[in-house]
Amino acid sequence: GEDVEQSLFLSVREGDSSVINCTYTDSSSTYLYWYKQEPGAGLQLLTYIFSNMDMKQDQRLTVLLNKKDKHLSLRIADTQTGDSAIYFCAESMGVNTDKLIFGTGTRLQVFP
Amino acid sequence: DAMVIQNPRYQVTQFGKPVTLSCSQTLNHNVMYWYQQKSSQAPKLLFHYYDKDFNNEADTPDNFQSRRPNTSFCFLDIRSPGLGDAAMYLCATSRGAGEAQPQHFGDGTRLSIL
Repeated sequence: GEDVEQSLFLSVREGDSSVINCTYTDSSSTYLYWYKQEPGAGLQLLTYIFSNMDMKQDQRLTVLLNKKDKHLSLRIADTQTGDSAIYFCAESMGVNTDKLIFGTGTRLQVFP
Repeated sequence: DAMVIQNPRYQVTQFGKPVTLSCSQTLNHNVMYWYQQKSSQAPKLLFHYYDKDFNNEADTPDNFQSRRPNTSFCFLDIRSPGLGDAAMYLCATSRGAGEAQPQHFGDGTRLSIL
């Protein structure tokens, strides 16, 4: 079946790097996404990676994809207090659909 | 500027009293989605429209309906809200199938049931 799993919590000190992990099961996924949700708000698209890529970097964000292990990670360099939020990974369900399967979400807390 | 706009941000209704949530988009995207999100959970897809084609998820209760009168607007109707329907409702859009089609979300409407 289709399932996307994430660890529930991550706590880091301001200025350190954060690494949020995600595992997925659908090998036919074409794109994998990272969304950020701040309290009381909608989901903000952070970045996404095509399934034939291994890595994508965008400013402080680095996405790593291990297709063999179906493992996706999001690294945030120089984590700031404004990065505190819930982070969802999501996989697309196939080539001809935009439907997503969301992970359980990781709550990132950044302390001074 | 917001591209997916949900109104209102907060909605309070009475148990059993019909309520409508609205979503509009300026992206001219083909697909519009409605999600329900309860506290500390991932968003749960209720249904989506691909243009005028309505696609219901198998486990979406009959109490939830949707209308899309034109490309820009989509409505979520809850016919007889129960206490369990209190949640954040998120609208999203995407361009359509083919290349990478990220979904773009509005800020949500938080629904409370009295």
